[in-house]
Amino acid sequence: DAGVIQSPRHEVTEMGQEVTLRCKPISGHDYLFWYRQTMMRGLELLIYFNNNVPIDDSGMPEDRFSAKMPNASFSTLKIQPSEPRDSAVYFCASGSGTSGPSTDTQYFGPGTRLTVL
Amino acid sequence: LAKTTQPISMDSYEGQEVNITCSHNNIATNDYITWYQQFPSQGPRFIIQGYKTKVTNEVASLFIPADRKSSTLSLPRVSLSDTAVYYCLVGGDNQGGKLIFGQGTELSVKP
Repeated sequence: DAGVIQSPRHEVTEMGQEVTLRCKPISGHDYLFWYRQTMMRGLELLIYFNNNVPIDDSGMPEDRFSAKMPNASFSTLKIQPSEPRDSAVYFCASGSGTSGPSTDTQYFGPGTRLTVL
Repeated sequence: LAKTTQPISMDSYEGQEVNITCSHNNIATNDYITWYQQFPSQGPRFIIQGYKTKVTNEVASLFIPADRKSSTLSLPRVSLSDTAVYYCLVGGDNQGGKLIFGQGTELSVKP
């Protein structure tokens, strides 16, 4: 398996533009997680899905952020409109916890480095 | 929510054993404890996971006391390549438990 795949790897955009980050989880994993990492706030969980259903989105910073998982092999994280404070590295991770999202290993993608000017 | 607390940074020398402790006073009955390692410009990578007592694998050991309010990651005989940030993760259950990463411990291994 190629592991968790994220695209793009780098994104530079201007304030106000829409940004869409993409993730392909490892085949067979039923959990998918979106994280954001900054120097100031560290690694934050934004949202996670179980069997394509959002379970906890309390980490999503505000209405400008939205995430979808239309099928088991694809998820998107959208920011509209983007702001400079959204600049961060966004990680997608997948896992197959047998009794909950933290009972098995989470496999992280390489991340998308987003810069909003 | 099981908030975690770790030392911000630690220094060590090659060949030494390193112990990093994470405090999680509010850990829930169903919560597992997982440790991840992160190198610059990479995503975190799983090291070890446990629920209670001691767990050992080929790279580390995890010690969890009976009250489970803390856990200690033990790295035997560290090398320069172990220089990284180490995160303690607590939480998650089938009721949608919150997953909380600690602030991370930056380990620096010197020759």
